[in-house]
Amino acid sequence: DAKTTQPTSMDCAEGRAANLPCNHSTISGNEYVYWYRQIHSQGPQYIIHGLKNNETNEMASLIITEDRKSSTLILPHATLRDTAVYYCIVRKSLKTSYDKVIFGPGTSLSVIP
Amino acid sequence: NAGVMQNPRHLVRRRGQEARLRCSPMKGHSHVYWYRQLPEEGLKFMVYLQKENIIDESGMPKERFSAEFPKEGPSILRIQQVVRGDSAAYFCASPSAGGEEKLFFGSGTQLSVL
Repeated sequence: DAKTTQPTSMDCAEGRAANLPCNHSTISGNEYVYWYRQIHSQGPQYIIHGLKNNETNEMASLIITEDRKSSTLILPHATLRDTAVYYCIVRKSLKTSYDKVIFGPGTSLSVIP
Repeated sequence: NAGVMQNPRHLVRRRGQEARLRCSPMKGHSHVYWYRQLPEEGLKFMVYLQKENIIDESGMPKERFSAEFPKEGPSILRIQQVVRGDSAAYFCASPSAGGEEKLFFGSGTQLSVL
C-alpha cells in the first residue's frame, strides 16, 4: 500500500499557483519524498524529490514540513498543460536498500482557463 | 521519458494468444521496473529486474505472467493465454544512476485483448 494520502482532485485557475498537498505521517528518517505526474495516457514524469530541505527546480517547488509528516508541491504558474494526475511517493534511498516504488491514486489536477 | 523505449506502442491480441512487451532502459542502465495500469485505475507495481536477475516480483500475477531481462537485448514482459482482463497500459521505468533514484518511464504499451 502507498504510504501517502492525497486529495482525490483539485482545480486551479490558469496562471495561478497550484498547491498540491501530501500527507506522509509514517515517513521514516531515511525516506525521500518524490513527486511524479501522469498526463493522460502518457508515461509518468518525474518532477522533484527531497529529503528534508525545500527543493526547487525548473518545474516546481517542494516544501516539506519540519516534522516531515507532510509536503506540498507547488506549480508556480499553472498552465493547461499541467492538467494531470500528480503522485506523491515516499521511498528509501537506494544507497541503503532496495525499496519498490508504490504509486497511490494521486491527485487529479485540472487547470481551468 | 526520453531514452526509455517500449514497443510496440499498441498491441492487439485475441483471447488465448501470447503477448510480448519489450522495454529497453536508458543507455547504460541495467535495471527496469514494470507497472500495469488498468483503465481508470492507478499504476500497479509488477516486477523489478536487473540484468539476468529478478529482484522483486511481488506484484506479478501468479500465473501466465513472466518477465526477464537478458544479458543482451531488452526486458520482456510475457503474458501467456491473454484474457480480456489483461487489457491495460503497461509501463516500464528505468532508474537513474545513484542512490537517489528518479524513475524515467517509457511511453507504455497499450494491450487490447479482443
